[in-house]
Amino acid sequence: EVQLVESGGGLVQPGGSLRLSCAASGFTFSSYSINWVRQAPGKGLEWVSYISSSSSTIYYADSVKGRFTISRDNAKNSLYLQMNSLRAEDTAVYYCARGYCGGGNCYSDYWGQGTLVTVSS
Amino acid sequence: SYELTQPPSVSVSPGQTASITCSGDKLGDKFACWYQQKPGQSPVLVIYQDSKRPSGIPERFSGSNSGNTATLTISGTQAMDEADYYCQAWDSSTYVFGPGTKVTVL
Repeated sequence: EVQLVESGGGLVQPGGSLRLSCAASGFTFSSYSINWVRQAPGKGLEWVSYISSSSSTIYYADSVKGRFTISRDNAKNSLYLQMNSLRAEDTAVYYCARGYCGGGNCYSDYWGQGTLVTVSS
Repeated sequence: SYELTQPPSVSVSPGQTASITCSGDKLGDKFACWYQQKPGQSPVLVIYQDSKRPSGIPERFSGSNSGNTATLTISGTQAMDEADYYCQAWDSSTYVFGPGTKVTVL
């Protein structure tokens, strides 16, 4: 069974940092790209970042570029999101999602349960 | 940046057909997918590559994509289908989500 389990969320002050983790199991982690997607309270889905299976290709949404860093450790079946210079508008549930992306056909077929990040003083 | 638009809400009677549209410039030239999200739950992929259903998704869910509009159709809608639905496409190295459509089964 494919499982993605996020952790690391919590309350942080504006300007602070937080590192999210996503532990994967039930599939060959090193063969899949992964996305981070967030959802502010009561709002829609917003894509945050993408990392290819080998980490050779990384993309960020403009809203987080320069502040967030995505990485992965295929030996540990783990994905990370380092979030710096956090703002109130970064408050959201953060999901990791297994991705497929080829020839412009890109989607996420399995999602974790999410971890809540709250940026507030 | 590329944008997708969806109607905020769609209402449907049990057993009837619900159609949810997703519009974007030349969306038919791209691939669209759809996610279902129920309150307090994570999104679930219900359609990918315009019209394909993942394993475990009921046949009443179908999709199409042509011109500027992708459409998710739920045939024989059931109460359990009440949820938010998001379309998504990929453009210029970004995943783009629509704003979501709340489907209410009256």
